[in-house]
Amino acid sequence: KNEVEQSPQNLTAQEGEFITINCSYSVGISALHWLQQHPGGGIVSLFMLSSGKKKHGRLIATINIQEKHSSLHITASHPRDSAVYICAVKTFGNEKLTFGTGTRLTIIP
Amino acid sequence: NAGVTQTPKFQVLKTGQSMTLQCAQDMNHNSMYWYRQDPGMGLRLIYYSASEGTTDKGEVPNGYNVSRLNKREFSLRLESAAPSQTSVYFCASSEGQITTLAKNIQYFGAGTRLSVL
Repeated sequence: KNEVEQSPQNLTAQEGEFITINCSYSVGISALHWLQQHPGGGIVSLFMLSSGKKKHGRLIATINIQEKHSSLHITASHPRDSAVYICAVKTFGNEKLTFGTGTRLTIIP
Repeated sequence: NAGVTQTPKFQVLKTGQSMTLQCAQDMNHNSMYWYRQDPGMGLRLIYYSASEGTTDKGEVPNGYNVSRLNKREFSLRLESAAPSQTSVYFCASSEGQITTLAKNIQYFGAGTRLSVL
């Protein structure tokens, strides 16, 4: 079993829909990252969080440390949100990140 | 700001050939990382360098060597390329101070697509 599991693996939605991508992990962590990989391959860090909730524009990330679960939400989705969204966790005292396999999101106009 | 720069963007090798992937960052970051990304798998860490002068193995180090040439540059070398090393390679960097969460965001290069025939 992977230490970081994402669901769903693929998600197709209509423009304007509210999107939720989930990430579950099995280890104790110091931080969780959400990353976005564009169709061209570039990777951008969206959020890093260790508790609660963070918001940036139409993107919201939440984490529940007790349940070892995080969600990434996109409100009013747009075709330019189409990308692979990757969850990664950092364990205490460790420089390394452990990555999920990603969720491929496609927003149809 | 250039951020993290990787070269080359694309490369085709024959089995047994060697090559070096270059990575440079201009953010004065302490830590640098090399990952590979394969279909259906998450990014996997090959090697990392927590600070200038140190390197450590990651999850999949076999077949690779690294050099932290200075604070800016971290290169990845394939001494004898194999078809199993066909992948997309990403370099990343972070400030790397573990006790300060805000400094652990990793910034990624654009990737190098490598094919080994």
